[in-house]
Amino acid sequence: AQSVTQPDIHITVSEGASLELRCNYSYGATPYLFWYVQSPGQGLQLLLKYFSGDTLVQGIKGFEAEFKRSQSSFNLRKPSVHWSDAAEYFCAVGAGGTSYGKLTFGQGTILTVHP
Amino acid sequence: GAVVSQHPSRVICKSGTSVKIECRSLDFQATTMFWYRQFPKQSLMLMATSNEGSKATYEQGVEKDKFLINHASLTLSTLTVTSAHPEDSSFYICSARVWQSNTEAFFGQGTRLTVV
Repeated sequence: AQSVTQPDIHITVSEGASLELRCNYSYGATPYLFWYVQSPGQGLQLLLKYFSGDTLVQGIKGFEAEFKRSQSSFNLRKPSVHWSDAAEYFCAVGAGGTSYGKLTFGQGTILTVHP
Repeated sequence: GAVVSQHPSRVICKSGTSVKIECRSLDFQATTMFWYRQFPKQSLMLMATSNEGSKATYEQGVEKDKFLINHASLTLSTLTVTSAHPEDSSFYICSARVWQSNTEAFFGQGTRLTVV
């Protein structure tokens, strides 16, 4: 069974500082990997996804993530955080084949941004 | 891009009543939709997979008779919470998979259900 671990429940950074959110996954085959952001009381917005190819993936809002198969990781990074980035971030792994689109989410990481 | 509309966005109901939540794919056909539940300060958990024209597949621990799922057309799936109780209060969110496409599933805006 697939699983996702986000080791950091809560991260606080200063505005302008760099950010890295960790994500480790467990999956038997080549995974489909996603990062979503959720503002309080809102739905999910897709930041970026990895299906295949280049292991460094660029997303919206200046985010990027790197797929490292050897470490089973898909960490999210941003070089300079803005106050509007404060939200909860979810890493997710998806299955292929007939289960395509079905996601397993990590526990989420709450990001607080100090001015 | 593909748009998934979920309605209502918020609903308050009395304990013992039933509530229906709709999930529509507005500009694409979705043979498969997924329903997730998110309790406060927790992650999203898959409840069931909804397939057009057939019975839904429920995840372990999800009561089929309590959470009725109907996927009668290629653009609409509904989740009915029957005999709702306060412990059913949660954020419910659906996603839809584009038919014959290798892209990601697209999420609706979610429904905040409060049972009083």
